[in-house]
Amino acid sequence: DTAVSQTPKYLVTQMGNDKSIKCEQNLGHDTMYWYKQDSKKFLKIMFSYNNKELIINETVPNRFSPKSPDKAHLNLHINSLELGDSAVYFCASSQRGGGDTEAFFGQGTRLTVV
Amino acid sequence: AQTVTQSQPEMSVQEAETVTLSCTYDTSESNYYLFWYKQPPSRQMILVIRQEAYKQQNATENRFSVNFQKAAKSFSLKISDSQLGDTAMYFCAFMNPGNNDMRFGAGTRLTVKP
Repeated sequence: DTAVSQTPKYLVTQMGNDKSIKCEQNLGHDTMYWYKQDSKKFLKIMFSYNNKELIINETVPNRFSPKSPDKAHLNLHINSLELGDSAVYFCASSQRGGGDTEAFFGQGTRLTVV
Repeated sequence: AQTVTQSQPEMSVQEAETVTLSCTYDTSESNYYLFWYKQPPSRQMILVIRQEAYKQQNATENRFSVNFQKAAKSFSLKISDSQLGDTAMYFCAFMNPGNNDMRFGAGTRLTVKP
């Protein structure tokens, strides 16, 4: 059973299109995240949600909109895609307050904008 | 937000030898978690080791150990008896347990040479 799963794994699309990446976790965690990993491998946090409530919203363009229908899902919708959006996007989850807390990651979605 | 600094973009080590990866962080919090994650070419993020700030004892996991210096805000990773499979990007990460905000360093690319 995959703990954190993202779909799709690869996404190639043209500039100007709108696309979504879905994420689901079956760990019962209350916190979910989206990270962007650029070509230099730098992992930058974009958003985090706790029990469907937006907690962290870094300086991300308004074209990026996260949606959390329930605490097991955190989807990322991107409008008007630009070349600079090409990156690997990681979803992750963790549990607050646990002594053994750690973040579990999905396998990543490689987005290529052409 | 907390910042994490990894000052070694690339390192290499001979198989069976020992290597130490450096990490420093900046925070005003007294309680927090620190992590080292490994990212092999498969791009999956894998937890290597975790340290809770209130625990003075350094964490160890088989060939992996940390040197946690809280006053100096330093958290280095030592890999003993390096193996070819240790070749990967290594990320140091800081988590604030209050909101589970998790930040990563820029990463160190480690190459283990035969």
